[in-house]
Amino acid sequence: DTEVTQTPKHLVMGMTNKKSLKCEQHMGHRAMYWYKQKAKKPPELMFVYSYEKLSINESVPSRFSPECPNSSLLNLHLHALQPEDSALYLCASSQVGTGPNQPQHFGDGTRLSIL
Amino acid sequence: QKEVEQDPGPLSVPEGAIVSLNCTYSNSAFQYFMWYRQYSRKGPELLMYTYSSGNKEDGRFTAQVDKSSKYISLFIRDSQPSDSATYLCAMMNTGFQKLVFGTGTRLLVSP
Repeated sequence: DTEVTQTPKHLVMGMTNKKSLKCEQHMGHRAMYWYKQKAKKPPELMFVYSYEKLSINESVPSRFSPECPNSSLLNLHLHALQPEDSALYLCASSQVGTGPNQPQHFGDGTRLSIL
Repeated sequence: QKEVEQDPGPLSVPEGAIVSLNCTYSNSAFQYFMWYRQYSRKGPELLMYTYSSGNKEDGRFTAQVDKSSKYISLFIRDSQPSDSATYLCAMMNTGFQKLVFGTGTRLLVSP
């Protein structure tokens, strides 16, 4: 079991639905990340939050809306998705601060299918 | 040219073999190097993390970084069928939070 917990594990939704993905960590990390991973490809960065503020948006379409309500929680709100958005959505977290960069720890992801 | 190059495999070896997985990179600003293992339908699991040239050992795993050649390796000793997975190298610059991944190498260890 990972220390980054993602729910739900699987999600099937229509193109007109609104749903949310949830990520939780209790490692005291102050940076949290959303990645998208297609089959047989590496993860692609979508968003980064540092100290609950959005620090990086990798030009992600507005149908994906991230939210970081507190230092332990990260949400990804989904609306009007397209079939090509079907993928594994991964959450990760890491420490932030002075000194060497810290590695990112990943959850097991939410497998999203758009009908 | 991609920033990080990694042979996608698959790499098939018999149980007990020594496995060598490699990545090359072009950006000399990369200072932090990671190896992740990803099983099917799971998230990437951090195996090794280094931020200097040289070797780092953890059990059956050894990570090697050669910054002068822009080349990193992961060695797995006494490979087991349970090591069958995709291995992703990843790296990042100082002060940046963006991981740059290799494409991943699929490893198959047969009993």
